[in-house]
Amino acid sequence: EVQLLGSGGDLVQPGGSLRLSCAASGFTFSSYAMSWVRQAPGKGLEWVSGISGSGGSPYYADSVKGRFTISRDNSQNTLYLQMNSLRADDTAVYYCAKDAETSGSFWALFDYWGQGTLVTVSS
Amino acid sequence: IQMTQSPSTLSASVGDRLTITCRASQSVSGWLAWYQQTPGKAPKLLIYKASSLESGVPSRFSGSGSGTEFTLTISSLQPDDFATYYCQQYHSYPYTFGQGTKLEIK
Repeated sequence: EVQLLGSGGDLVQPGGSLRLSCAASGFTFSSYAMSWVRQAPGKGLEWVSGISGSGGSPYYADSVKGRFTISRDNSQNTLYLQMNSLRADDTAVYYCAKDAETSGSFWALFDYWGQGTLVTVSS
Repeated sequence: IQMTQSPSTLSASVGDRLTITCRASQSVSGWLAWYQQTPGKAPKLLIYKASSLESGVPSRFSGSGSGTEFTLTISSLQPDDFATYYCQQYHSYPYTFGQGTKLEIK
């Protein structure tokens, strides 16, 4: 059974940093691209960042480019999102999501999602 | 690519047939997915490649369209179907979602 367990969400001040983690199980982690998708309170879904199965070719939404860094540790089956220079409009539930494409390439089609971890940016 | 769903809110009854529309600001070919989200839960993939049903999803859900106009149809609404539905294009970066259609009980 595929499981994605996100963690690391917290209350942080504007300008601060946070690192999110997503522990994966139930599939061959290195064979699949992964992404982070966020949802601000009461709002819709926004794709944030994605990374191929090998860890190369990261992609970022313009809203986070230069501030967020996606990475993965295939030996630990874990996906990360390092978030720097956080702003109030980064407040959201952050979901990790598994890509459906089996080649490891990044397709941005999400067949499994984690339960979400809440990031609140406020003073 | 901007994705626009209509309507934003829809009231319906159990047993109704309904259709949600998603329009893309430029062609996404058939690279269009539909997700269902219930309050407090993660989204669930329903349809991919515009019309392919994800494994385990009931056959009352169907998708159609190509290019810039797509539809999600639920043939006979069930109580579990009252949720918010999102379309998403995965044709090109950046990968964008529609604003959502909230399906409410009439």
